[in-house]
Amino acid sequence: QKEVEQDPGPLSVPEGAIVSLNCTYSNSAFQYFMWYRQYSRKGPELLMYTYSSGNKEDGRFTAQVDKSSKYISLFIRDSQPSDSATYLCALASGGSYIPTFGRGTSLIVHP
Amino acid sequence: GAVVSQHPSRVICKSGTSVKIECRSLDFQATTMFWYRQFPKQSLMLMATSNEGSKATYEQGVEKDKFLINHASLTLSTLTVTSAHPEDSSFYICSASQGGLREGYTFGSGTRLTVV
Repeated sequence: QKEVEQDPGPLSVPEGAIVSLNCTYSNSAFQYFMWYRQYSRKGPELLMYTYSSGNKEDGRFTAQVDKSSKYISLFIRDSQPSDSATYLCALASGGSYIPTFGRGTSLIVHP
Repeated sequence: GAVVSQHPSRVICKSGTSVKIECRSLDFQATTMFWYRQFPKQSLMLMATSNEGSKATYEQGVEKDKFLINHASLTLSTLTVTSAHPEDSSFYICSASQGGLREGYTFGSGTRLTVV
């Protein structure tokens, strides 16, 4: 079992839809949870950062962490074609601080 | 914000030759940089941690003699793929952090290496 599991997709949605992206993990030592967005042929960029369980909202984006289920989510409201990209979850423990990445989910938002 | 510049963005080389990829932190000093490899539709795989002024730390299964890493200054780390073979063809990305996880790791734009 991989440390971090993420469905590669692609996930195709119409413009304006609510998007739900998810990762599961097996290492209970993970305490830091991040979401990165990667456009084609570019390096990833940090989108959201959370520590411990709960929700965090930033504009149209909401990150949710459920440590008891080892499950994290990223919600995108009112999705736009410009949101089309690959979204990678990244998790880190207090001992390492070097993130472990999921394989990424390819999101396509069509007009 | 923090910027990491990576060059070249794309390189094609002949089998058996060596290729050097540069990673520069433009507006901050990075004592530690990271090198990743990414296959299509696959996760970022950490190859090695580059430490300024000391030897790099390689992940299990990564050949240190094939992937030479040099971190000679606080703003520059280089990855040299020696005696490249077609199976080394991949997307290589470097990253550095100015402030840790909260500020995020800033990634370069990546280098697409094709070995023919």
